[in-house]
Amino acid sequence: DAGITQSPRHKVTETGTPVTLRCHQTENHRYMYWYRQDPGHGLRLIHYSYGVKDTDKGEVSDGYSVSRSKTEDFLLTLESATSSQTSVYFCAISDTKGDQPQHFGDGTRLSIL
Amino acid sequence: GENVEQHPSTLSVQEGDSAVIKCTYSDSASNYFPWYKQELGKGPQLIIDIRSNVGEKKDQRIAVTLNKTAKHFSLHITETQPEDSAVYFCAAWATGGGNKLTFGTGTQLKVEL
Repeated sequence: DAGITQSPRHKVTETGTPVTLRCHQTENHRYMYWYRQDPGHGLRLIHYSYGVKDTDKGEVSDGYSVSRSKTEDFLLTLESATSSQTSVYFCAISDTKGDQPQHFGDGTRLSIL
Repeated sequence: GENVEQHPSTLSVQEGDSAVIKCTYSDSASNYFPWYKQELGKGPQLIIDIRSNVGEKKDQRIAVTLNKTAKHFSLHITETQPEDSAVYFCAAWATGGGNKLTFGTGTQLKVEL
């Protein structure tokens, strides 16, 4: 299995609180992605990164920010969590040969009450 | 933008039978079509992919076919086994498509003994 670790694996929090999810990789891959998975929607891209400090928005980026200060770490932040952000969040990585996500982490289940 | 439709949403087969999952896409510029398998509590795992210059690709019991004219692609699993039970996602990616895959909504495959 590719070396991708997501933390925490589960989190319950309240509306209005800030939340940060972490993705850590040991593969030295250039590209990293954050997706959310919701019933009936498949996986939707939130943000992605194509290098340290280089990030861009995906199709559902509103309410989310990201940071990548090191190759191995990609952080997803919900500045003020809302109930609509209750979801399962997946991090993915790609090697330098292409920019399609090839390996996914095992996800973070986030519940916002 | 790209729209990917996936059918059926659920599929139940007897062990040893074949399973077929179909996807259609809307963007004629799409040129890469991966399939992912997701087991309960895990992230999606890339199981096979096909590029637009190829009509069919096979890897042991799984195969993918692509019809560019009709804009559809299919996953075929032969001699199904209980461990094939999972959710399967198709996806499409287009050059210049903003570096994102568009996913189908998933098919829950159940292989019954």
